Amino acid sequence: GENVEQHPSTLSVQEGDSAVIKCTYSDSASNYFPWYKQELGKRPQLIIDIRSNVGEKKDQRIAVTLNKTAKHFSLHITETQPEDSAVYFCAAHANDYKLSFGAGTTVTVRA
Amino acid sequence: DADVTQTPRNRITKTGKRIMLECSQTKGHDRMYWYRQDPGLGLQLIYYSFDVKDINKGEISDGYSVSRQAQAKFSLSLESAIPNQTALYFCATSEGSNYGYTFGSGTRLTVV
Repeated sequence: GENVEQHPSTLSVQEGDSAVIKCTYSDSASNYFPWYKQELGKRPQLIIDIRSNVGEKKDQRIAVTLNKTAKHFSLHITETQPEDSAVYFCAAHANDYKLSFGAGTTVTVRA
Repeated sequence: DADVTQTPRNRITKTGKRIMLECSQTKGHDRMYWYRQDPGLGLQLIYYSFDVKDINKGEISDGYSVSRQAQAKFSLSLESAIPNQTALYFCATSEGSNYGYTFGSGTRLTVV
C-alpha cells in the first residue's frame, strides 16, 4: 500500500515569514494529493489539493507543488498569520481508492 | 448544510465494555471511512465502505467492527474496549476516488 512520510513534525515561524511542509509518497500510481488543516479541537479540513496532471496550484497565500518523478509534494504558506497555527496533514490517493495520510506537522506562528 | 455528524462527542468507558460510535451524513456520498487519530501518528484507517454491501478492513481493524446500516449511516463498534483504544475517532465521507474527504467532528474516547 501507499506510504506517506511528512517533514518536519513541528515548525515554528515568525509571523509574516513563509512555511514549507514536505511529503514523499511510495506508490507511483498515486494521482491525487490533498492537504488538510486541523485546528486545535477541530476536525481536519481540506485546504488545497492537487492532481497528478498538474505541477503547481495556488490559492491566495497557500500553494502546493508536485514532483511526480521524485514522488514528493510540498505545501507552501506565505505571509503567515497567527490563524495559520494548526496541524497540517498531507495525503496521497492511489488506485486502491483510499487516502493514506502523513503523520502531521504542527505549525506555530509566533507573533 | 450537508455535513457529517458523529455521536457521541466524548465518551468515557470501562475496560471490557462494548461501545458503539455512530456516524451519519447528509452529503449523499457512497464512500465512508473510520479513522483513528493518536498524537504523532496521524490518521490511521480502521474500516471503509463504498456502499451498504461493501465493507473493507483498514490498517488497524483488530478489535473493531463496523456496520453500514444505510448509505447515510456507518457505525464503529469496539466489542471489548481496552485502554490502548483511547483515541480521537473520525468518520469521513468521500464523493469518490480522487476527491477529498469531509470529516465529522470527531469522538474523543477514553477507556479506563
